Formats: sequence, structure tokens, C-alpha cells
Amino acid sequence: QVQPVQSGAEVKKPGASVKVSCKASEYTLSGYQIHWVRQAPGQGLEWMGRIHPHSGGTNYAQKFQGRVTVTRDTSISTAYMELSRLTSDDTAVYYCTIGNDADAFDIWGQGTMVTVSS
Amino acid sequence: QSALTQPASVSGSPGQSITISCTGTSRDVGSYNLVSWYQQHPGKAPKLLIYEGSERPSGVSNRISGSKSGNTASLTISGLQAEDEADYYCCSYAGSRTFYVFGTGTKVTVL
Repeated sequence: QVQPVQSGAEVKKPGASVKVSCKASEYTLSGYQIHWVRQAPGQGLEWMGRIHPHSGGTNYAQKFQGRVTVTRDTSISTAYMELSRLTSDDTAVYYCTIGNDADAFDIWGQGTMVTVSS
Repeated sequence: QSALTQPASVSGSPGQSITISCTGTSRDVGSYNLVSWYQQHPGKAPKLLIYEGSERPSGVSNRISGSKSGNTASLTISGLQAEDEADYYCCSYAGSRTFYVFGTGTKVTVL
């Protein structure tokens, strides 16, 4: 598996939305779940959601329901995570990661820093 | 769903063994053999060390081992080395409502 490549750092104002991209191989996107995990500064890891490879169906952590949307564009082998109604508490590094058959997160992207500040 | 409980810090001297615990509940660790462990160096992405409680991906040192008993999973690092100094996180599948829950994280210091 090749490491996914994520989009660059973002600075957003409170109330705005952010969309982070994760470019993986065509093989990865069509065969493996893509998960999104975030890490606030100095804090631990937090699972946000995932997209299934075949159906494109999604699952989200209850905490983010209604605010997060995970999508994919198979034509360019890219997955996306969009988070809306941002607050300062959403300042974090956002990672995409490839799931394996054992519900573990196998390969991680390099992370995308999202800063929410007025 | 609360985070799994890990000790905030664990330390050991080079060559020693250390064990990090990860305590959950019957709704996560206790119900599924789907505990994974991750190592994270400062400023870097996490790295998978253990999956399914005790399985090592190819390329992970055999100094790393995992186990589970009841609602508690454990990660053991034997022959501690300077490069093992990092943060460690456990994670468990937690069913079709919560999906995944991470541990609080443990900072390992090599003395």
C-alpha cells in the first residue's frame, strides 16, 4: 500500500466549512475503507467516519453526525472529508487512513492541519 | 462512548520491558477481538503496530506484542530502545453505533 497524499493546511473562520482531500491509488479506493481520524493539538486520536469501497456507503461517529460528510471521486482516486459549522474546537490535524479487514488503520496520510480562528 | 483508558505515561530503561494497558468495557474491548495499537512520534502520523489484539503487520519488530484479557488489552515492548520513545494509542471496534473508540494515549519515555 502506498501512503495516501492529503491536501495542504487550511485556515478557516468560525462557522465556515472545510474540505480535506486524500488521494490514494485506484486499487486502494476501490478495495479498502477510507477512514478519517483527527487529533487536536496535544490531544489524542478521534475517529470521525469512514466510506466503504464498493457501495460508497458511509458511517459517522455520533459526535459528528450532521456536520461531517465523507465522499469519494473514484475517477481521480480521491476521498474527501468535509466538516461544517467549524468552531475553535475543530482546530486539529485531520488524517485519512486506509482500513484493513481487521478493523485496524493500516496506512496513514501525512495529515492536514486545519486551524479555526477569527 | 468514552475513550478507552490508558496510563498517561510509562517509562523504562534501555533493554527493559514495559507494558501499556488499555481498559475498555464489555461494549468494545470485551466484545470484539478487534483491538489495534499505534505508535506516534512527535509531528508524525500514527503507525500500526498490532491488529486483532496480537497480530503484527509485516515489518513491525517482534519486540512488540499484544494481548487481551476481558475488557483490558495490553501492549508489551521488550528490549526497550531509544527509538521506542513515542506516544502509543489503542483502539477498539465498538459495534455498529459507536464504530471505533481510541484510547487516551500513553507517553513512553526511555530513561
